[in-house]
Amino acid sequence: AQKITQTQPGMFVQEKEAVTLDCTYDTSDPSYGLFWYKQPSSGEMIFLIYQGSYDQQNATEGRYSLNFQKARKSANLVISASQLGDSAMYFCAMREAGGGSQGNLIFGKGTKLSVKP
Amino acid sequence: ETGVTQTPRHLVMGMTNKKSLKCEQHLGHNAMYWYKQSAKKPLELMFVYNFKEQTENNSVPSRFSPECPNSSHLFLHLHTLQPEDSALYLCASSQDGTGGGYEQYFGPGTRLTVT
Repeated sequence: AQKITQTQPGMFVQEKEAVTLDCTYDTSDPSYGLFWYKQPSSGEMIFLIYQGSYDQQNATEGRYSLNFQKARKSANLVISASQLGDSAMYFCAMREAGGGSQGNLIFGKGTKLSVKP
Repeated sequence: ETGVTQTPRHLVMGMTNKKSLKCEQHLGHNAMYWYKQSAKKPLELMFVYNFKEQTENNSVPSRFSPECPNSSHLFLHLHTLQPEDSALYLCASSQDGTGGGYEQYFGPGTRLTVT
């Protein structure tokens, strides 16, 4: 079973509008971390935002916020006031707290976001 | 130089060649990673080094040989590759590799084409 599921292969959003990118995860570990990365066409993976499983509040970083619904095992990324430079692939990832292989990041397949002028 | 750098950015090699990819991190991190990103596939973890010791080899074929001489440098030696090895190879580093909330910082990647 997939541990990270991103159901939207591609999304379009109008410039200056908000957009939500979906991510659901599967883990039995009570301690884990959730990450979002942006990958522009240049290839570099850029870290955007992190949410810990015990964090009481949703994480926010500038125009990025993470809508964390623990019971539903979802960690959606919300981008407010979209800009043309936001056009990229977006990856959701999870890291379980165990040592060894469990501490590695597991990535979803990604969502390609296109911002229209 | 800041962050994570990778050289070369693009590489074309024949199946009988030997080449190496280089990664360097300037963040004072202790863990380094190699990932493979093929078209339409999730990022695949290949190797993890934590404090210069290899802690993960994700069933990678022996034609890929990693080397981590110190916590700042990571190499991926390539020999006798196959066309299906063509991909974007990404290097990353993090504060440590033992779990927890430490995000990984990625380099720009090496786009490898095997002919």
